[in-house]
Amino acid sequence: EVQLLESGGGLVQPGGSLRLSCGASGFIFHSYAMSWVRQTPGKGLEWVSEISSGGGRTFYADSVKGRFTIARDNSKDTVYLEMNRLRDEDTAIYYCTYGSVYAGSHDYWGQGTLVTVSS
Amino acid sequence: DIQMTQSPSSLSASVGDRVTISCRASQGISNSLAWYQQKPGKAPNLLLYTAFKLEGGVPSRFSGSGSGTDYTLTISSLQPEDFATYYCQQYYSTPYTFGQGTKLEI
Repeated sequence: EVQLLESGGGLVQPGGSLRLSCGASGFIFHSYAMSWVRQTPGKGLEWVSEISSGGGRTFYADSVKGRFTIARDNSKDTVYLEMNRLRDEDTAIYYCTYGSVYAGSHDYWGQGTLVTVSS
Repeated sequence: DIQMTQSPSSLSASVGDRVTISCRASQGISNSLAWYQQKPGKAPNLLLYTAFKLEGGVPSRFSGSGSGTDYTLTISSLQPEDFATYYCQQYYSTPYTFGQGTKLEI
């Protein structure tokens, strides 16, 4: 059974930093690209970032480019999202996802971790 | 970036109704379109990908169609468990983008 377990969310002040982690199990982690998708409370979905299976290629939404960094450790079956210079508008539930058929078609999601940016 | 415009934003229907939700991309996306269902407090659930391919375990009352820039999700006969919010998403190119959602209410 595929499991994606996010951790690292919490309350942080504007301008602060946070690192999210997502531990994966139940599939061959190093064979698949991984993504982060976020959802503002009460609002819609926004794709944040994707990293290729080997980690050599990364992609970002314009809203986080230059502030967020995605990384993975295939020896630990874990993907990370390093978030710096956080803003109020980054407040959201962050989901770890992947697509088993197409990288962008997310058939597996974690339960999400809440990030709140507030003073 | 490819913009996804979903309509309607909300929809009232009854059990047994046939409903359609539309999604328009700002440029052609070659059927690289997914539909998700989301219930309150839960992560989204993939229903269809490649515009019309049903994800495993999804009931056959859900179907997708379209091409180019215009796509449709159809639920042939609404069941009580189908009342939720639905999103389309293009994965033709990054940044992947979602529609704003359609809330399907009783």
